Amino acid sequence: EAQVTQNPRYLITVTGKKLTVTCSQNMNHEYMSWYRQDPGLGLRQIYYSMNVEVTDKGDVPEGYKVSRKEKRNFPLILESPSPNQTSLYFCASSLLRTGRSDEQYFGPGTRLTVT
Amino acid sequence: LAKTTQPISMDSYEGQEVNITCSHNNIATNDYITWYQQFPSQGPRFIIQGYKTKVTNEVASLFIPADRKSSTLSLPRVSLSDTAVYYCLVGPTLTGGGNKLTFGTGTQLKVEL
Repeated sequence: EAQVTQNPRYLITVTGKKLTVTCSQNMNHEYMSWYRQDPGLGLRQIYYSMNVEVTDKGDVPEGYKVSRKEKRNFPLILESPSPNQTSLYFCASSLLRTGRSDEQYFGPGTRLTVT
Repeated sequence: LAKTTQPISMDSYEGQEVNITCSHNNIATNDYITWYQQFPSQGPRFIIQGYKTKVTNEVASLFIPADRKSSTLSLPRVSLSDTAVYYCLVGPTLTGGGNKLTFGTGTQLKVEL
């Protein structure tokens, strides 16, 4: 089944304790992206990657890191989480195909709470 | 990126056709119009994308007038399971210079019996 998976789905952690949220897709998509969703603010892009070893900042990259060593994986790293990073996180991927519609596939989400 | 304006909420009944209009006065020449659907605590799901005139797929139709300053998502014969937030997005495609989706606040559609 074509899908984007994220782990963990739920995480409660403490300020300053490094964590990684994994994202994996099995559709051979070049493009991958991380979003956070907060009430009243909608979805905001954190980082994106157009292909392996190619990453760039989105709208709210502060406090986050990413890497794209393999095409299928795009982990989100919080080196020193803070309470303002409490949010619902979504990973998304898409095939880059000129002239065809841009359908981004989203993962199920990771609900992170930082105390 | 072009700013979009859509109603905050809409109510409908099962079996009705629902039309959600999105305003995007500053749409650029290379911008496409895309709609996503999101259920609570789930990731958004792509519905439809278009550039001009009319696009139809198995779940919806998208109407875009000639000036492209607005668009209308049409959901035929909605059911309770169509209750969700619908987002209108405007921007270049990923292969056309874009790199992200910019989500607004969306339209909360509530379908009742």
